[in-house]
Amino acid sequence: DTGVSQDPRHKITKRGQNVTFRCDPISEHNRLYWYRQTLGQGPEFLTYFQNEAQLEKSRLLSDRFSAERPKGSFSTLEIQRTEQGDSAMYLCASSLGPFNSPLHFGNGTRLTVT
Amino acid sequence: GENVEQHPSTLSVQEGDSAVIKCTYSDSASNYFPWYKQELGKGPQLIIDIRSNVGEKKDQRIAVTLNKTAKHFSLHITETQPEDSAVYFCAASNYGGSQGNLIFGKGTKLSVKP
Repeated sequence: DTGVSQDPRHKITKRGQNVTFRCDPISEHNRLYWYRQTLGQGPEFLTYFQNEAQLEKSRLLSDRFSAERPKGSFSTLEIQRTEQGDSAMYLCASSLGPFNSPLHFGNGTRLTVT
Repeated sequence: GENVEQHPSTLSVQEGDSAVIKCTYSDSASNYFPWYKQELGKGPQLIIDIRSNVGEKKDQRIAVTLNKTAKHFSLHITETQPEDSAVYFCAASNYGGSQGNLIFGKGTKLSVKP
């Protein structure tokens, strides 16, 4: 068990640019989650996948955000036309579904939009 | 939707003392309540969880209690050590229902003074 891996750890970008983050879940975990965490707050749910199917999306996930999980393995989260309000820690988590299984989080990607 | 409130926001204790963090939730359908510890620059790490069919759970120096009637749950840390210093988050979820994601509290920053 190597844990959930996220890349990059830090990303600084200028407003209006597109960014993409990658998450590699714990192998054999079929559920993958994306959360966003701003300073002094708890993580906020964005979306989750069961295998390759995206089953739920939060209202926080505007149309500038898109997530994919091809082949049910790693996942990517893309933010288009970044805004300063997108600055946050983006956390990925995985679990062994279907239900009542703990979420294991990665160490996140910290995005700073200047 | 679910709303989780957490108190206190900061807590300072002397090494060896006990620490208690309390959370309340709003959705009576919630049935899973994990606690996470987050150290600086890292993702949340699960430390203990409890399901709605159990009133109390203990793991060494950590215990969690759940009162379903009052809709609140608490984290108890005994014999605190400096390495317990971190931000602690409670969360709630209705696994098996329409929501498969965790709703987090805003966190408690615990400082253990040697």
